[in-house]
Amino acid sequence: GAVVSQHPSWVICKSGTSVKIECRSLDFQATTMFWYRQFPKQSLMLMATSNEGSKATYEQGVEKDKFLINHASLTLSTLTVTSAHPEDSSFYICSAFTGGATNEKLFFGSGTQLSVL
Amino acid sequence: GENVEQHPSTLSVQEGDSAVIKCTYSDSASNYFPWYKQELGKRPQLIIDIRSNVGEKKDQRIAVTLNKTAKHFSLHITETQPEDSAVYFCAASWGAGRRALTFGSGTRLQVQP
Repeated sequence: GAVVSQHPSWVICKSGTSVKIECRSLDFQATTMFWYRQFPKQSLMLMATSNEGSKATYEQGVEKDKFLINHASLTLSTLTVTSAHPEDSSFYICSAFTGGATNEKLFFGSGTQLSVL
Repeated sequence: GENVEQHPSTLSVQEGDSAVIKCTYSDSASNYFPWYKQELGKRPQLIIDIRSNVGEKKDQRIAVTLNKTAKHFSLHITETQPEDSAVYFCAASWGAGRRALTFGSGTRLQVQP
């Protein structure tokens, strides 16, 4: 099936630093990718919709200046957590749809566990 | 926007028994309802999905039913096995095009051997 690759799998950083997470569609083109955040034992919460060649759409309450999203190509979207703080520690996971109009399915990357010290 | 409620939050069954997880959604325009299985620290894996033009879908031991009138859908797992133990999420998506999914709160299924 379709594969969505995400790197890194985990990262530990100091408070105040920035972290970049990459999400790639390996065998298909994705004009739209979705970034979710998941806190321990909780559900997946949509952060933003990444659109190739245009600005991302952020969900209410998500700071666009803190979570920078770039979707420069049809196979790559990046999420940069700027000036990270301990409260940003979470599991970040990207996703993309593949398939035709009547059978499209959403596949997830492997996720990135971010720990901010 | 869409709101998806999922029950129960935890479910413990004996190996071989059936498990049922239920979800309700708020937006009658929702037309796509996938189910994901997530093991600890791993990505959610799509296990089955159903679209609004179908009332039921089955894949081996897993089945999903959809009641559009009542706006609820359910996941049925028969002959449960210990490897079915995981967190299961329902989701809903509405409208045309590839819109983001709204997820339920998750059900932690424990299959006792």
